[in-house]
Amino acid sequence: QITLKESGPTLVKPTETLTLTCTFSGFSLRTNGVAVGWIRQPPGKALEWLALIYWDGNKRYRPSLASRITISKNTPMYRVDLAMTNMDPLDTATYYCAHGGRHSESGTSYFPFAYWGLGVVVTVSS
Amino acid sequence: DIQLTQSPSFLSASVGDRVTITCRASQGISSFLAWYQQRPGKAPKLLVYAASTLQSGVPSRFSGSGSGTEFTLTISSLQPEDFATYYCQHLNSDFLTFGPGTKVD
Repeated sequence: QITLKESGPTLVKPTETLTLTCTFSGFSLRTNGVAVGWIRQPPGKALEWLALIYWDGNKRYRPSLASRITISKNTPMYRVDLAMTNMDPLDTATYYCAHGGRHSESGTSYFPFAYWGLGVVVTVSS
Repeated sequence: DIQLTQSPSFLSASVGDRVTITCRASQGISSFLAWYQQRPGKAPKLLVYAASTLQSGVPSRFSGSGSGTEFTLTISSLQPEDFATYYCQHLNSDFLTFGPGTKVD
């Protein structure tokens, strides 16, 4: 059974760095074809994909936030971290991590998010 | 970057109704599209991937179709637990775009 859980501070000040942890079970990031992503959702707004890390260490970032975010994995600890620098009140959101399993079509791979954590609410305020 | 739009943004429906939500991509994305359901205060749930493949455990009243730039999610007979917000997502990309959402109320 795949489960994911986000953890981290619920309140950060503007300009601070946010570090969130996704702790998971039921799969390993050593396994070929697995990815973990971070997605956020500002209050009352749509989902916004932030970052993705693959089993082989490759990473993808939302272009508009790429200079501020870093995704990393601690494979033995079944953990993926997200760091976001220079936090702003506009970064107030629920932050989710999710598991993506590889599917292939016409030789192209894609990773729908079939398993999600419950999310962690992060407020940015002084 | 590929942009996704959804229509309608808001949909008023009743139990038993047939509901159709459309997602349009700014350029062709083959069938690399997923649909998610999000109930208030809950994490999203994957319903459909590859435009028309139903995720395991999802009721058969949900179906997806389309390819290229236009996709639809259909609920054949709306149930009380289906009142939620629905998002499409572009897969197979370095930028995993979500659509703006359709609230079914």
